Amino acid sequence: KQEVTQIPAALSVPEGENLVLNCSFTDSAIYNLQWFRQDPGKGLTSLLLIQSSQREQTSGRLNASLDKSSGRSTLYIAASQPGDSATYLCAVRITGTASKLTFGTGTRLQVTL
Amino acid sequence: NAGVTQTPKFRVLKTGQSMTLLCAQDMNHEYMYWYRQDPGMGLRLIHYSVGEGTTAKGEVPDGYNVSRLKKQNFLLGLESAAPSQTSVYFCASAQGDTQYFGPGTRLTVL
Repeated sequence: KQEVTQIPAALSVPEGENLVLNCSFTDSAIYNLQWFRQDPGKGLTSLLLIQSSQREQTSGRLNASLDKSSGRSTLYIAASQPGDSATYLCAVRITGTASKLTFGTGTRLQVTL
Repeated sequence: NAGVTQTPKFRVLKTGQSMTLLCAQDMNHEYMYWYRQDPGMGLRLIHYSVGEGTTAKGEVPDGYNVSRLKKQNFLLGLESAAPSQTSVYFCASAQGDTQYFGPGTRLTVL
């Protein structure tokens, strides 16, 4: 059974800092990996999707990497802003599973002024 | 485009009561999903559907039933609510790799 772990569970950084969020998964037979953002009391918004054949994806100040063989992904946020404060979740899709996702428990990020 | 909508937004039930949560999407997506989110446990898949008239069990299906009579709607039913079903319920739809989530329903079972 696929298990997805995110460390740390919570993180507080001052504005302007670069930061890295970690995601690890136990079964390397994944189809893709996604990073989502969740604001308090809201649904999830997809940030980046990395296919199993890719090593990284970038969108603005966000960069996600994938190392399938070691079962790890990182989300790098450059020059953090207070508006980045949210919970970040990673999710993996297993090959051939009707697009079903297995989610990590998330990292709650707070960017302070 | 409303995207994915969920009704109701909040609900309080007593143990043993029944209710139905409605999810609607206007993106003509084939796949739809119901998740529950509990503190410290992330999102867990309850049931999903790969097309109109089809449903399948996810990771935590016990105590729930679903129906997908129309492509745009996916209903989640609780026949006899239990306190363990207190949670936030999210619906999502997908066409391809990206899932689009609704805003959630916060359900409390007393």
